[in-house]
Amino acid sequence: GNSVTQMEGPVTLSEEAFLTINCTYTATGYPSLFWYVQYPGEGLQLLLKATKADDKGSNKGFEATYRKETTSFHLEKGSVQVSDSAVYFCALSDPLTGANSKLTFGKGITLSVRP
Amino acid sequence: EPEVTQTPSHQVTQMGQEVILRCVPISNHLYFYWYRQILGQKVEFLVSFYNNEISEKSEIFDDQFSVERPDGSNFTLKIRSTKLEDSAMYFCASIADRSLAHNEQFFGPGTRLTVL
Repeated sequence: GNSVTQMEGPVTLSEEAFLTINCTYTATGYPSLFWYVQYPGEGLQLLLKATKADDKGSNKGFEATYRKETTSFHLEKGSVQVSDSAVYFCALSDPLTGANSKLTFGKGITLSVRP
Repeated sequence: EPEVTQTPSHQVTQMGQEVILRCVPISNHLYFYWYRQILGQKVEFLVSFYNNEISEKSEIFDDQFSVERPDGSNFTLKIRSTKLEDSAMYFCASIADRSLAHNEQFFGPGTRLTVL
C-alpha cells in the first residue's frame, strides 16, 4: 500500500538557519504530494503541493521538489523564522483515485525555531 | 476566511461509552473526511462521505464507528462503545469539488479524545 516516511523529530533551529525536512514515499502509481503545516491550536493547512515529477511547490519561502527517481519530496527553507514553529506533515494522494481522495500522511515533525 | 470547525476541542470519556465528535465543514463543500492521529503515530484516514453516504472507509472504521450529516451544516463521527485505543486526535476535513484536479482538503483543528 501507499506510505509516507518522514525523518524523526523534533527539530530545533536558530532563527535564520537553513531547514531541510526529509520525506520519502511509496506508491504504486503517480501520486500528488503535499506538505501540510499545523500551527499550535489550529488545523492542518496546506503549505505547498506538487502534482507530477520534477514539479516544485513553493509557498512562504518553503520549497519542495517532486523527485520520482528518489521517491522524495523534501521540504526546505533558506532562513527560518520563529513564526515557522509548527508541526509539518508530508502527505500523498491515492494515485488510483486521484488527488481529491484520501490523503496518506507521514508522522509529522515538530519544528521549533529559537530567536 | 471560511474554515472547518470542530467541537469539542477535548473530550474525555469512560471506556464503553458512546461519543459524538462534531464538525462543521466549509459551507459550499461537498466531500467530507475524518482522519485520526494516535499520539506519536501517523495521521490515518478513517472515512470519506459524499451525498449522504460513505464513499470509502479504512479497515479502522469498523462497526463501532458511524458518520452522519444530520442537517445541512454538521458532520458527525460517532463511536458507539469507546475503547482505550480510540484515544487520539480526530481531524475533520472537507473539499469543495472532487472533480477538480488536486483540490485542497481543508482541515479542522481537531478533537482530542481521551478514553479512560
